[in-house]
Amino acid sequence: SQQGEEDPQALSIQEGENATMNCSYKTSINNLQWYRQNSGRGLVHLILIRSNEREKHSGRLRVTLDTSKKSSSLLITASRAADTASYFCATGISNAGKSTFGDGTTLTVKP
Amino acid sequence: GAVVSQHPSWVICKSGTSVKIECRSLDFQATTMFWYRQFPKQSLMLMATSNEGSKATYEQGVEKDKFLINHASLTLSTLTVTSAHPEDSSFYICSARDGGRPEAFFGQGTRLTVV
Repeated sequence: SQQGEEDPQALSIQEGENATMNCSYKTSINNLQWYRQNSGRGLVHLILIRSNEREKHSGRLRVTLDTSKKSSSLLITASRAADTASYFCATGISNAGKSTFGDGTTLTVKP
Repeated sequence: GAVVSQHPSWVICKSGTSVKIECRSLDFQATTMFWYRQFPKQSLMLMATSNEGSKATYEQGVEKDKFLINHASLTLSTLTVTSAHPEDSSFYICSARDGGRPEAFFGQGTRLTVV
């Protein structure tokens, strides 16, 4: 089974609102990455957070990591229609670089 | 830094033919590369791990003879889909790891359509 599970599976919000997506995983990790994928396109790396970090920011993105709960969250503030995409978390469970992806959250931002 | 390029970005081929997809690390030496497959509206599934100069390690259920992986240099890995069938139509993505860092970086992906 997949290591990561995103919640919710689908999220629909109005432009300007904040969007929060969660990712839970099962085993200890070395790092966790969030990616965006527009329909039919490749992955765009958003942010990486290491197991010894608790929070990271990048522009309108805020990622938290709670290793005790084996969960991470991605917050997109002041959402825009262009943020409409699928968002995946990928867990790195060792230093080998292998990533295990969750099923993704489909975000729709209505203008 | 850490740019990974995949080529082609899309390809259409006839059933029974073979297709080669390239994955290149442009600004670092990739000791390890990974190949993933994504079906429509689904997540990415790891197919195989390749280390430079050695045979690839395939995940359970992935046919080695159908998906040939070559990692002949520290900047290039190739995935060849042999005798392609329509059910091989999918989105294939590679990632590459710089030996000095634990994380891997992804290419843009290749959409394969077999007709």
